[in-house]
Amino acid sequence: KAGVTQTPRYLIKTRGQQVTLSCSPISGHRSVSWYQQTPGQGLQFLFEYFSETQRNKGNFPGRFSGRQFSNSRSEMNVSTLELGDSALYLCASSPRGQGTYNEQFFGPGTRLTVL
Amino acid sequence: DQQVKQNSPSLSVQEGRISILNCDYTNSMFDYFLWYKKYPAEGPTFLISISSIKDKNEDGRFTVFLNKSAKHLSLHIVPSQPGDSAVYFCAASVVGGTSYGKLTFGQGTILTVHP
Repeated sequence: KAGVTQTPRYLIKTRGQQVTLSCSPISGHRSVSWYQQTPGQGLQFLFEYFSETQRNKGNFPGRFSGRQFSNSRSEMNVSTLELGDSALYLCASSPRGQGTYNEQFFGPGTRLTVL
Repeated sequence: DQQVKQNSPSLSVQEGRISILNCDYTNSMFDYFLWYKKYPAEGPTFLISISSIKDKNEDGRFTVFLNKSAKHLSLHIVPSQPGDSAVYFCAASVVGGTSYGKLTFGQGTILTVHP
């Protein structure tokens, strides 16, 4: 089975621009979660999607948004980029819905640099 | 408010010896705990997990211990190998309720295993 894939792997943007990152979960996984990793804050939860619905959101501003498609692929968008948005963005997929013990399997991440 | 803490930023052990990585949590609602290993420029790799109804779980060289009364868990790696050198993250989740898809991570411990 193929793992979680994320595209692009590296991205350089300038302040004020917007960016869209893509994630393809493991086949059969319906839950997709997104995380931001920075040296100062560590791994922080952004949001989770299941069956095209956002079920949970972390403590991030509204500039961070996402969506999920019917094939479980997910995208996240960051608008009006700030220097502090420079980070590794990780996507993770999980095989089962809420109410069961779920391991999450991570992709390689997208390294976003904002200049 | 850091709900999951890994108080040791780094740990150095000799090949063949035991590595013990520690993690403390403050949120008593957490009922599922996971350990991940991360190499630079890669996403975290799932290692082992434990639910709050158990106090020990083993998988090969990896054993996780959970002490609910102390809100403490540890990961034992025996015997340690140079390939185990990586950053280890402890993560916690709430299985029920509305905390869908959210893992709360510690800051990580850098493990170095010397040949």
